[in-house]
Amino acid sequence: ETGVTQSPTHLIKTRGQQVTLRCSSQSGHNTVSWYQQALGQGPQFIFQYYREEENGRGNFPPRFSGLQFPNYSSELNVNALELDDSALYLCASSLGLADTGELFFGEGSRLTVL
Amino acid sequence: GESVGLHLPTLSVQEGDNSIINCAYSNSASDYFIWYKQESGKGPQFIIDIRSNMDKRQGQRVTVLLNKTVKHLSLQIAATQPGDSAVYFCAENRGPTGANSKLTFGKGITLSVRP
Repeated sequence: ETGVTQSPTHLIKTRGQQVTLRCSSQSGHNTVSWYQQALGQGPQFIFQYYREEENGRGNFPPRFSGLQFPNYSSELNVNALELDDSALYLCASSLGLADTGELFFGEGSRLTVL
Repeated sequence: GESVGLHLPTLSVQEGDNSIINCAYSNSASDYFIWYKQESGKGPQFIIDIRSNMDKRQGQRVTVLLNKTVKHLSLQIAATQPGDSAVYFCAENRGPTGANSKLTFGKGITLSVRP
């Protein structure tokens, strides 16, 4: 167990809808990153939050947005869902902004868009 | 374009044998590499990492080798066990300083251990 929890574990939405995914980071970790993992692919970096501020973003459109709260938990919001948004969304927590260090991943939220 | 990729999609090994998983990367500026293991229904789990100023690093039953000349990374697992069956990803950190979370992952290779 990594101590990173995500909810919901599975959900189904239709095109055009909006979704919010949640993540509780490991105790003491102040950095949260979100990744999208399509079936059969490696995870792709969406964005990172450090102390409630966005600290970098991958190649994802603005309809992907996030928040980090004072307790360092985080949300990923996706608006105007598209079929290609169907994927496993992974949250990872870590301590600080070092160049190296282990990321602790949750088990993910599996989103299906119909 | 730049990519981090794996040579083979699947690898089948006999229990007790050593496993070698290979990975090629194309960004010569990358200086930090990591191997992750992902079991079915779970998130990726950190195995071992290596900095570009090293050629080899050993962990418990695992060794990572880095060849910067040919931009190649490999993961060696000694005495492979059924619990090693999973998808393995190599990843590199292409972010700026202080960006340990901005990893670029390869597509993954499935390791299947035969009893």
